Amino acid sequence: GAVVSQHPSRVICKSGTSVKIECRSLDFQATTMFWYRQFPKQSLMLMATSNEGSKATYEQGVEKDKFLINHASLTLSTLTVTSAHPEDSSFYICSARVASGTDTQYFGPGTRLTVL
Amino acid sequence: QKEVEQNSGPLSVPEGAIASLNCTYSDRVSQSFFWYRQYSGKSPELIMSIYSNGDKEDGRFTAQLNKASQYVSLLIRDSQPSDSATYLCAVTWGAQKLVFGQGTRLTINP
Repeated sequence: GAVVSQHPSRVICKSGTSVKIECRSLDFQATTMFWYRQFPKQSLMLMATSNEGSKATYEQGVEKDKFLINHASLTLSTLTVTSAHPEDSSFYICSARVASGTDTQYFGPGTRLTVL
Repeated sequence: QKEVEQNSGPLSVPEGAIASLNCTYSDRVSQSFFWYRQYSGKSPELIMSIYSNGDKEDGRFTAQLNKASQYVSLLIRDSQPSDSATYLCAVTWGAQKLVFGQGTRLTINP
């Protein structure tokens, strides 16, 4: 149980384009999903917390207008990187919390974004 | 500033030996503690969670928590080459956020 999927697994795009990444909880309902970014040889950095039906909460230093998050249902959250630039190239990973009252997060397989 | 500290390694352990991974955290209010394993190019995989002082065992893995010392560790018994990975310590604070350490790179030598 507690399977989280992400799509696409890898994307290469030109500078200035927008990229949408989907995160789905496959066998449970996730009221809260999280988006992380990981640069090479670094740890995961939380970008934002996404609650179903409400606006995402962004971490300090993360531009909410650049990284658009939508959590339209209990099983789907999306991250859109708008007007991507080479410095946005990174490994983007989502996670989902199984249920309220527990802190355990299960991670999706990640999306490798390369902006040319 | 909430921080989680780990020795980045690399930590080299011979096959069959015990690998010991350590983590300290700065926030006394933290309630939940996790160990994740991350293979190169992959996302983190949950290995253990621990919430109360003492030891928690699951197969070859044992997590140890000492809240007074703000210290959590992971022991891997009978280490296998497939255990070679980066191990991330994570701690929660507040309602739901996870804060990760920088990870310890572990290599098991056959």
